[in-house]
Amino acid sequence: DAGVIQSPRHEVTEMGQEVTLRCKPISGHNSLFWYRQTMMRGLELLIYFNNNVPIDDSGMPEDRFSAKMPNASFSTLKIQPSEPRDSAVYFCASSLRGQGAHQPQHFGDGTRLSIL
Amino acid sequence: QQPVQSPQAVILREGEDAVINCSSSKALYSVHWYRQKHGEAPVFLMILLKGGEQKGHDKISASFNEKKQQSSLYLTASQLSYSGTYFCGTAVNYGQNFVFGPGTRLSVLP
Repeated sequence: DAGVIQSPRHEVTEMGQEVTLRCKPISGHNSLFWYRQTMMRGLELLIYFNNNVPIDDSGMPEDRFSAKMPNASFSTLKIQPSEPRDSAVYFCASSLRGQGAHQPQHFGDGTRLSIL
Repeated sequence: QQPVQSPQAVILREGEDAVINCSSSKALYSVHWYRQKHGEAPVFLMILLKGGEQKGHDKISASFNEKKQQSSLYLTASQLSYSGTYFCGTAVNYGQNFVFGPGTRLSVLP
């Protein structure tokens, strides 16, 4: 079975450019999570969708970040304009049910983002 | 509120045992445990729900003491493959904010 698929795997771009990260959750999963991981801040939840609806976006750093889930099989995380401090590994995860539930979260391989 | 994990790091010899703790200042509904190897994504290990249950997977088991608001992960007779960073994730209610702890780095040496 296909797991969570993220693209691109690596992204290097210059400060000020728009960055779009993509995620395809596991088929049948109705919850999707975007995380950011850095050495300093660890694994931070940015936003959580349930049935394509954003439930909790309190972790989104600022207005430069936006996330969408137009359908059950696709989500994007966009940074515009990007800044060097946005450099991190961004993970997408999906689960059968929402946060704190009985179901595990399945993580994609992540996107390693470097903003120069 | 992010849970607290202890220790921050531990180094073992192959075959030794280890315990990793995860505690919260709030009453917990569930605790998840994940392992992340360097350069890879976190991988699910197990979930514990309030009720003090204990679970096991091979030589890795965990307990959840809801009175103490604490969960512990037990690694028995550690193997080289156990090396990685272990994260607990906690939720205070079903569907409520799920937060990962800072992680415990485990290194198993031959």
